[in-house]
Amino acid sequence: EPEVTQTPSHQVTQMGQEVILRCVPISNHLYFYWYRQILGQKVEFLVSFYNNEISEKSEIFDDQFSVERPDGSNFTLKIRSTKLEDSAMYFCASSAGIQETQYFGPGTRLLVL
Amino acid sequence: DQQVKQNSPSLSVQEGRISILNCDYTNSMFDYFLWYKKYPAEGPTFLISISSIKDKNEDGRFTVFLNKSAKHLSLHIVPSQPGDSAVYFCAATPSSNYQLIWGAGTKLIIKP
Repeated sequence: EPEVTQTPSHQVTQMGQEVILRCVPISNHLYFYWYRQILGQKVEFLVSFYNNEISEKSEIFDDQFSVERPDGSNFTLKIRSTKLEDSAMYFCASSAGIQETQYFGPGTRLLVL
Repeated sequence: DQQVKQNSPSLSVQEGRISILNCDYTNSMFDYFLWYKKYPAEGPTFLISISSIKDKNEDGRFTVFLNKSAKHLSLHIVPSQPGDSAVYFCAATPSSNYQLIWGAGTKLIIKP
C-alpha cells in the first residue's frame, strides 16, 4: 500500500540553525501538507501546497518557514533559523484532492537546543 | 482554539465490548470529518470519514455518526480489540479550505 515517508525520523539542531525536513508524498497525490504537534498539544496545520504553490498557511507559518517541491517526488519544509519553540513532531501529509483523505507520514521529531 | 473538542482524555474498555469516542465542534462551516488513530512515535493513520450530507458511515468494525444539529460526532468500535489501544483524533475541515482542525485526542485502552 502506498505511504508517505519522511526523513529524518529525528533531528537535533542548535538554535539559529537551518533545518530541512523531507517528505515523499504518495505518488499520485496532488495536495501536500505540513502539520506539527508540540509535545502535549494538539496537531496544528502549518501549510498546504498545490500546483507548485502554497494554497493556504497558518499564522505559525511565518517568514522563517518555507516549502518546496524540488523534484517530482520530494516535498520539503525548511526552517531558516530555528527557535527553541520549533521543537515538535512535524508531520507531512498528502491527498489526491481537496477534501479527500489526507494520509500522514511517520513524522520527524525536531529538537532545538 | 477550541473548534474541535474531545472532552475525554482517556477511555478504558473491555475487550469485545463497544468503544464510543466522542467529538464536538463549534464551527458550522465544517462539512467533512475524519477520525485518525495514532500510536506513539508514529504518524496519524486514517480510519474513517464522514461528509456532512450523511449521518452515518460504516467500515467494518468502525462506524462514525454525525449529528449536525448538535455539532457532535462519535466513533463506535465494535467489538473492541487489544490492537485498538491508541490515541484517537477527531479532525474537521470546511470545503472552502485545506487545513484539518484537530481535537486533542482520546487515549483508548482496551483491557483484555
